[in-house]
Amino acid sequence: GAVVSQHPSWVICKSGTSVKIECRSLDFQATTMFWYRQFPKQSLMLMATSNEGSKATYEQGVEKDKFLINHASLTLSTLTVTSAHPEDSSFYICSARVGGAYNEQFFGPGTRLTVL
Amino acid sequence: GENVEQHPSTLSVQEGDSAVIKCTYSDSASNYFPWYKQELGKRPQLIIDIRSNVGEKKDQRIAVTLNKTAKHFSLHITETQPEDSAVYFCAAMSTLNFGNEKLTFGTGTRLTIIP
Repeated sequence: GAVVSQHPSWVICKSGTSVKIECRSLDFQATTMFWYRQFPKQSLMLMATSNEGSKATYEQGVEKDKFLINHASLTLSTLTVTSAHPEDSSFYICSARVGGAYNEQFFGPGTRLTVL
Repeated sequence: GENVEQHPSTLSVQEGDSAVIKCTYSDSASNYFPWYKQELGKRPQLIIDIRSNVGEKKDQRIAVTLNKTAKHFSLHITETQPEDSAVYFCAAMSTLNFGNEKLTFGTGTRLTIIP
């Protein structure tokens, strides 16, 4: 149990286009979902936290108008990278958690975004 | 905010020997410390965690120790095996920041087990 999926697993797009990444909790209802960005051989940097039905909380330095997060249901959150540029190329990973803070976060497999 | 430092960044250990990875944190309010293992191209997976009300926790070959006074915690892997090769991340979080409970990750340690 506790499986989180992401779609797509990889995407290549042209500069200036928008890309949507989906994060789904397949067998549980996630009250909180997190979006991370991971550069090669580096750590996971939290971009934003989203709770179902409410606006996402963005970390300092993350542009909310560029990285649009929607958490419309307890099983789905989406991250849209708007007007993508080459510097947005990265590995984006979501995670999902049920209930309180001590509960385990389950990570998705990640989406590799390459912007040409 | 919280700041987590992790050492070493790379570690090579002979198979069968022990490996130790250390982390320090800055926020004294942090009270939950998980460790994640990430194999190449795969998702991070929780391997062990510890809360601030205990000083040590063990699960088979893996153990974690916590020193709240010094604000550091360590991962210990004994009798290492080739499948232990991966990148390990420590993390810290305060569960007291209601509505803002988020993990801050360390920079990662690439562990290589030499057969």
